[in-house]
Amino acid sequence: DAKTTQPPSMDCAEGRAANLPCNHSTISGNEYVYWYRQIHSQGPQYIIHGLKNNETNEMASLIITEDRKSSTLILPHATLRDTAVYYCIVMVLVLTNAGKSTFGDGTTLTVKP
Amino acid sequence: SQTIHQWPATLVQPVGSPLSLECTVEGTSNPNLYWYRQAAGRGLQLLFYSVGIGQISSEVPQNLSASRPQDRQFILSSKKLLLSDSGFYLCAWTGSGKNGYTFGSGTRLTVV
Repeated sequence: DAKTTQPPSMDCAEGRAANLPCNHSTISGNEYVYWYRQIHSQGPQYIIHGLKNNETNEMASLIITEDRKSSTLILPHATLRDTAVYYCIVMVLVLTNAGKSTFGDGTTLTVKP
Repeated sequence: SQTIHQWPATLVQPVGSPLSLECTVEGTSNPNLYWYRQAAGRGLQLLFYSVGIGQISSEVPQNLSASRPQDRQFILSSKKLLLSDSGFYLCAWTGSGKNGYTFGSGTRLTVV
């Protein structure tokens, strides 16, 4: 599985957009980009995923570069509750095999009032 | 809907004592199951994963073992805990859906 690189920490003002970058230069053609976030002492929660097209859901937007070597998670209007550790991982999911991924240290996002 | 249960939430165990953490999944069949460990302030380290009953793959040699006695049950065990086994243990599953991993709420283990 390809590995990812994220900045260790970022700050964002409440109400502003938070843009979290992720590098995944060794991503394979069939690997998806997934984002999760982990609030202290809880299990990580799914945010969004994509293969090559940009994606948007009720939580966030995901922008994937054309060469797929990097992506950006966008929280359009950050709130204090968005303070968490954000993980970017890449993985392929095949029903008959266990997709298994490496979670790095993620990016600790601190939203400030 | 699919749910994942993991218990206990917290555990304090003496060095040398045994360990058994249990994880069960509901609402799906033949899930892929995982055990991860997280040290304080760090990312998730994959310990074991399983694609079916009795099928266990170990990622990191250590003092721990895993078993899958039933399709939706995954157990993490140790015969004798070490201080270095302390951490936050997370169970997760993946299946036919495209949302990737679904994690349990975790067990915080402190070995004293």
